Amino acid sequence: QKEVEQDPGPLSVPEGAIVSLNCTYSNSAFQYFMWYRQYSRKGPELLMYTYSSGNKEDGRFTAQVDKSSKYISLFIRDSQPSDSATYLCAMRGGTSYGKLTFGQGTILTVHP
Amino acid sequence: DAGVTQSPTHLIKTRGQQVTLRCSPKSGHDTVSWYQQALGQGPQFIFQYYEEEERQRGNFPDRFSGHQFPNYSSELNVNALLLGDSALYLCASSLKVNSPLHFGNGTRLTVT
Repeated sequence: QKEVEQDPGPLSVPEGAIVSLNCTYSNSAFQYFMWYRQYSRKGPELLMYTYSSGNKEDGRFTAQVDKSSKYISLFIRDSQPSDSATYLCAMRGGTSYGKLTFGQGTILTVHP
Repeated sequence: DAGVTQSPTHLIKTRGQQVTLRCSPKSGHDTVSWYQQALGQGPQFIFQYYEEEERQRGNFPDRFSGHQFPNYSSELNVNALLLGDSALYLCASSLKVNSPLHFGNGTRLTVT
């Protein structure tokens, strides 16, 4: 069993839809949770960075962490064609610093 | 503000050869981490360098080695290349060891 599980999709939605992306994990030591967006032929771009359980909002993006269920989510409101990319969840323990454990990535396409 | 830069962007090598990849961190960052991303997968942690020393290492063989220079730039060396080493190699930088990682666009290595 992988430490982090992420549905690879692909996920296809119409412009303006609300998108929900999810990851589950098995390592209770994970404390920091991130979402990255990766466009084709580019490196991952940090979208959200959260610590422990709770919600964090940034513009059209909302990250949720539920440590009791070992489940994290990213919601994208009013999705745009420019949101089409691969979304990667990542997490680490309190002292793991640069060692992130990533999910497989979910491929998202937003069509006009 | 220059982000993380990596060179070269693409590289083709033959099995058994050795390769060196280079990374310049984002301006103001002093910590560099290296990741390997196979096609269709999330990045996997190789190692992290801070103050010119390897601080953490992932589950990669000794064929993978690195170095960090006094100006914080870094190199990743891979010896005795295998076909399975074909991947996108990503460099990420951060300020100190406990802050979010910012990735470069990677070096695409193909081993034939």
